[in-house]
This record gives sequence, structure tokens and C-alpha cells, in this order.
Amino acid sequence: QLQLQESGPGLVKPSETLSLTCTVSGGSISSSSYYWGWIRQPPGKGLEWIGSIFYSGSTYYNPSLKSRVTISVDTSKNQFSLKLSPVTAADTAVYYCARQGRIMDVWGKGTTVTVSS
Amino acid sequence: DIQMTQSPSSLSASVGDRVTITCQASQDISNYLNWYQQKPGKAPKLLIYDASNLETGVPSRFSGSGSGTDFTFTISSLQPEDIATYYCQQYDNLPLITFGQGTRLEIK
Repeated sequence: QLQLQESGPGLVKPSETLSLTCTVSGGSISSSSYYWGWIRQPPGKGLEWIGSIFYSGSTYYNPSLKSRVTISVDTSKNQFSLKLSPVTAADTAVYYCARQGRIMDVWGKGTTVTVSS
Repeated sequence: DIQMTQSPSSLSASVGDRVTITCQASQDISNYLNWYQQKPGKAPKLLIYDASNLETGVPSRFSGSGSGTDFTFTISSLQPEDIATYYCQQYDNLPLITFGQGTRLEIK
């Protein structure tokens, strides 16, 4: 059964870089049928798609975040990663990774990242 | 960018009630629309895909309809375990997607 798990620091200082990794288990990230995506949810607010990556390394970003986001993939480790820089308090959120096709059917449990000095 | 306008933003209903949520796309997205349920502290769960198809294992009281720009999500008989926030999500230009603002559903 495919599982995704987010990991990374829970606290990031303003103006620094948020770095998260999603580890895929129970299946291969090198599937030609799926993208691998990052979604976030600020406290008490809705879901926002951040961006996605294909196993080949092709990336797709939300235009509103594109200038600050980098998503990468490491197929040898079955992982994909998110970097967001520079961060502000507005980037405080629960960050989810998910398998993305026509549907987003497998999600990580989410990790809370707080931006604060 | 395709914008999704979901309404209402919150809804209070009684057990057994029929509940309807709407989602409007800023342009024609055919049937490229999904509905998710999110309970507090949990990741979203897919309920409906391709506008009207029920995901495996999801109770039949949930349904979806629509195409083009206007979509509807219905719970035919509200149950206590349906308390959650519901989101529509379009995928007209994969993998670029957008979510609606969400509808928080409460029990009266």
C-alpha cells in the first residue's frame, strides 16, 4: 500500500528557506502515471496547491508562488522535496505531499511549519 | 488561471437533511472536477471524481453532478460523521490544479 510521509523542520525563521521532503513507500516514485505534489493549508484556511513534479524532473508551480518555490526529485531515494524561500509568517501552514493524477488519491498526514523568529 | 468559486462557505444542517454545495469554474473545465472531504487534523479524502463518479468505498449518499462551469455536490441524508469541510478541485490543465475555498458543514 502506497504511503507518503512528510519530514522537515517545524520552525523556520522569516527570510530563511523552508525545506521539506516527502518519502514514498510501498511503491515507486518513477511511475509514468503520476505527478507528485505539494499542497499547503494555512491555519483555519483552505487548500493551496504549491506545485508538482514528474519523476523525470519536470516541474510545475503555482504562478503565485513560482518565484519562491523549487521542487526536486530523488528517484534513488524515492523522495521528492520542496524548498520555499524567502519565507514570511504568511507561509505558516500544514504542508501535505500527495500523489497526483486526475485525482489526488494518496496523501501524507501533513507536517506543520511555523515561520517565526 | 482557472478560479473556482465554491458556495456556501459554511452550512448548518440537521441529521437527515439534504445538503447541496456548489462550485463554479471561471471557464469551461468539462467534467474535470473532484470533491474532497477534510476532517479536522486530517488530510483531504477523495469522495467524487470526474464530477459525478463515486470513489470506491464512499457511501452512496454522496453524489456529484455538473459539467462545463457549474457543479453540484450533494449529501442526500446528512449523517453525524459527515461533519467536515468539503472542497472542489479542478484539473483541466494537469498538473496545475486549483481548489475551491471550501464549505464548512456543521450539524444544527
